[in-house]
Amino acid sequence: SQQGEEDPQALSIQEGENATMNCSYKTSINNLQWYRQNSGRGLVHLILIRSNEREKHSGRLRVTLDTSKKSSSLLITASRAADTASYFCATDGNQFYFGTGTSLTVIP
Amino acid sequence: EAQVTQNPRYLITVTGKKLTVTCSQNMNHEYMSWYRQDPGLGLRQIYYSMNVEVTDKGDVPEGYKVSRKEKRNFPLILESPSPNQTSLYFCASSWSRGAGTEAFFGQGTRLTVV
Repeated sequence: SQQGEEDPQALSIQEGENATMNCSYKTSINNLQWYRQNSGRGLVHLILIRSNEREKHSGRLRVTLDTSKKSSSLLITASRAADTASYFCATDGNQFYFGTGTSLTVIP
Repeated sequence: EAQVTQNPRYLITVTGKKLTVTCSQNMNHEYMSWYRQDPGLGLRQIYYSMNVEVTDKGDVPEGYKVSRKEKRNFPLILESPSPNQTSLYFCASSWSRGAGTEAFFGQGTRLTVV
């Protein structure tokens, strides 16, 4: 399966700290995306990184991609309580392949 | 506002009673898909559609049907629901399949089959 796998499964941090979550995948990709899901709600697109990019920033988000290791990381800096959500990576293929997500809790 | 609209948001039904979950998008996207989300299993694709009258099975199509008669609508049909179809369902649309374009998701339909 091309499904991405996020790590850790759950992460709890204090407000203001940085949160890092990782995604590993199995086959070569052209693009990788990160999505956020608030509890029980639809997924919202955060950022897309292409296979020829190594790093991308969007506001407090920083995404890295290492195609040699087939992995990506999402860093959220200066976390806020509103960042509490599940985060998913999605990889290429005939469809979006989602992992099981990282559940992030930011404690005020 | 660009959006994908699913209805209903919540549904409790009995085994065997046919139901339809509607999905509509206003972005003129060609690609639409349905996912189910279960604890520990992530999102799994049920069916997808590349365009009007073009549909295909995803990873978990058993027990589901879809149709794409119009570009904007992609209903999910459960002809004879069973308890193992209790799940959180999402409709999504995008310009194309694959992770090269952003996917827009509906708010989800929480289905309980008793």
